[in-house]
Amino acid sequence: EIQLVESGGGLEQPGGSLRLSCVASGFSFSSYSMNWVRQAPGKGLEWVSYISRSSSTIYYADSVKGRFTISRDNARNSLYLQMNSLRAEDTAVYYCARTSSATVIDYWGQGTLVTVSS
Amino acid sequence: EIVLTQSPATLSLSPGERATLSCRASQSVSTYLAWYQQKPGQAPRLLIYDASNRATGIPARFSGSGSGTDFTLTISSLEPEDFAVYYCQQRSNWPSITFGQGTRLEIK
Repeated sequence: EIQLVESGGGLEQPGGSLRLSCVASGFSFSSYSMNWVRQAPGKGLEWVSYISRSSSTIYYADSVKGRFTISRDNARNSLYLQMNSLRAEDTAVYYCARTSSATVIDYWGQGTLVTVSS
Repeated sequence: EIVLTQSPATLSLSPGERATLSCRASQSVSTYLAWYQQKPGQAPRLLIYDASNRATGIPARFSGSGSGTDFTLTISSLEPEDFAVYYCQQRSNWPSITFGQGTRLEIK
């Protein structure tokens, strides 16, 4: 069974930092590119960042560029999102999501909630 | 940025009825359009990719159609577990993917 389990969310003050993690199981993690997608409370979905299988290609949404850093450790089957200079508008559930070979986002984790508030 | 507009915002139907959900793109996305289902407190689940291909394990009552700028998700006969929020998503200009704002399918 394919599983993606996120952790690391919580309450952080504006300007602070958090590091999210996602542990994958049930598939060959190193064979798939990965994404972070977020969903603000009661709102729709917003793609945040993408990383290729070997970490050679990385993309960010304009809304997080320069503040967030995506990375992965294929030996640990893990995906990360380092979030710096957090803003209130970063408050959301953050999902780890797998990209299929056809660049379709096919599996999602259950998400971890990040709340940015003073 | 390609904007996806879903309609209606809310659809009220009864089990057994046919549901038709629409997604319109601000510019052509060819057939690079997917549909996801999301239930409260759960992650999105892929239903349809490339406009008309059912994902693994998705029942045949779900079907997708369209190309270019106009797309439709059809649920032929609603089951109680189908009441949820549905999102369309385009990957035409990967990796700058975008989602629609969602259609809430509720029990009438």
